[in-house]
Amino acid sequence: DAGVTQSPTHLIKTRGQHVTLRCSPISGHKSVSWYQQVLGQGPQFIFQYYEKEERGRGNFPDRFSARQFPNYSSELNVNALLLGDSALYLCASSGQGVTSYNEQFFGPGTRLTVL
Amino acid sequence: AQSVTQLDSQVPVFEEAPVELRCNYSSSVSVYLFWYVQYPNQGLQLLLKYLSGSTLVESINGFEAEFNKSQTSFHLRKPSVHISDTAEYFCAVSGWGGSEKLVFGKGTKLTVNP
Repeated sequence: DAGVTQSPTHLIKTRGQHVTLRCSPISGHKSVSWYQQVLGQGPQFIFQYYEKEERGRGNFPDRFSARQFPNYSSELNVNALLLGDSALYLCASSGQGVTSYNEQFFGPGTRLTVL
Repeated sequence: AQSVTQLDSQVPVFEEAPVELRCNYSSSVSVYLFWYVQYPNQGLQLLLKYLSGSTLVESINGFEAEFNKSQTSFHLRKPSVHISDTAEYFCAVSGWGGSEKLVFGKGTKLTVNP
C-alpha cells in the first residue's frame, strides 16, 4: 500500500512569491496535518484538517493557509514568502483507529528553499 | 499547552555500546508520548509510543522507552547500538482530548561509530 505522498520533492522560490504544496494521505485516512521543520529543529505543527474542516492551527501567520479536498488530499499555501520560510514541510495522515489516539504517518516532505 | 526538552543535541557512541537519549516534557493535561526517527533526507518514522498501560514500551529493533510520570520523562534506551542506528531522534507529545497535534523536541543526533 502507498504511504503518504507529497509533491513536489524540492522547490526553489524567491522572496515575495507564493507556493502551493500538495499531500495525498494513506487510502482510508481522513485527517491530514502539516508541519514545518526548519534545519536543526524539530517539526512544528501548522494545521490539521479532518473531513475538510480545520481542526487545529499552530502559531503561524495568516500567510499560511491550507485546505482539504473531498478525496482527503490537502494543499498548503504560503503567500509572500520570506527567507525564514525555507524548511522541510511534512504532511501526516491519520485514520480511524481502535485506540483513543490515531497514529500519524508522515510523508517524505517537500524541501522549500526561499532565495 | 505542552513542551518537550531533549537534553542532548548530539550523542556519539561506539558500535555495540549502550545508549540513552533523554526526553522531558511538560503539560497541564495527560499526554501521549512518542519517539520518532528521521534518517537523512527522509520523513519521520514512528519508533515507539506510550498511550496507556505498561510504562515500558519497546520497538521491534531493540529500542525501549519508559514513561515516568513523576519525573515527566520518556527516555529512549538501547543496550547495544548498530551503525544503522545513526539518525536523528525526536521525542514528541500529544495532549489528551484535543487535536492530534504533536509537539516535538529539537531532536538528538545519534552517531554510531565503528
